[in-house]
Amino acid sequence: DTGVSQNPRHKITKRGQNVTFRCDPISEHNRLYWYRQTLGQGPEFLTYFQNEAQLEKSRLLSDRFSAERPKGSFSTLEIQRTEQGDSAMYLCASSSYGQGTKLGPLEQYFGPGTRLTVT
Amino acid sequence: QQQVKQSPQSLIVQKGGISIINCAYENTAFDYFPWYQQFPGKGPALLIAIRPDVSEKKEGRFTISFNKSAKQFSLHIMDSQPGDSATYFCAASKGIQGAQKLVFGQGTRLTINP
Repeated sequence: DTGVSQNPRHKITKRGQNVTFRCDPISEHNRLYWYRQTLGQGPEFLTYFQNEAQLEKSRLLSDRFSAERPKGSFSTLEIQRTEQGDSAMYLCASSSYGQGTKLGPLEQYFGPGTRLTVT
Repeated sequence: QQQVKQSPQSLIVQKGGISIINCAYENTAFDYFPWYQQFPGKGPALLIAIRPDVSEKKEGRFTISFNKSAKQFSLHIMDSQPGDSATYFCAASKGIQGAQKLVFGQGTRLTINP
C-alpha cells in the first residue's frame, strides 16, 4: 500500500508532556498538509509544506506547535506542553502540486490520523 | 465564520434509496469542491470532486450537483447500501496556484438501514 501513513495511530499523554507525530506522504507527492479534527467536526487546516518549505500556518497553530519536513519527504508535528484542549485527531494529507492528475494539484489524500488524548 | 455549511447533520435512508447531502459556501473565490467519506477511526477518503465549470459530475453511484449562482453543491448517493453508512464531509478550496487548503463542512452522519 503506497498511501499516506501516520504514526503512532494513538497517543495518550499527560498534560504538560511533549508529543511528536510522524507523517509519511505518498512518495511522489510534493505537498504535505496537517489538519486537526475534533469529535463531531470536520478537519481544520493547520499548516502545509511544499517540498521542505513550510508555506502557511493557521492561527490555530499556537507557539507550542511546530512542524518540520526536513528533506521534503516525511513530516513531524510536535506539540510542547500539551493541554487537554489539544486532544483531537491529527490528520496528514498529501498532494502532487503541478503533476499529472485530471484535476491537477487539487486532490488531497489523507492518512489514517493520530488520535491524541491528553489526560 | 463558517465558510462551508453542511446539512443535514444526520440522515437515515433505506437500502436502495437515494441519499442527498447539501452544502453551501460563502467565498466566491472557492473553485474546487471535493466530498470525503470517513469511517470511525479512519482518515477521510476522497470520493468525488468538482470544479465550477461543470454543473454535474457522476462517478458510479455518486453524483455531485453544483449550482454556482446559488453557491450550493450537493452529493447524491444512488441505490444506497449499508456499506455507505459513514460520515460525509463536503469541502472547498480556492486558487489553483495557492495553498489549496481545504475548508470542511461539519459533516453528515449517514445511516443506511438494511
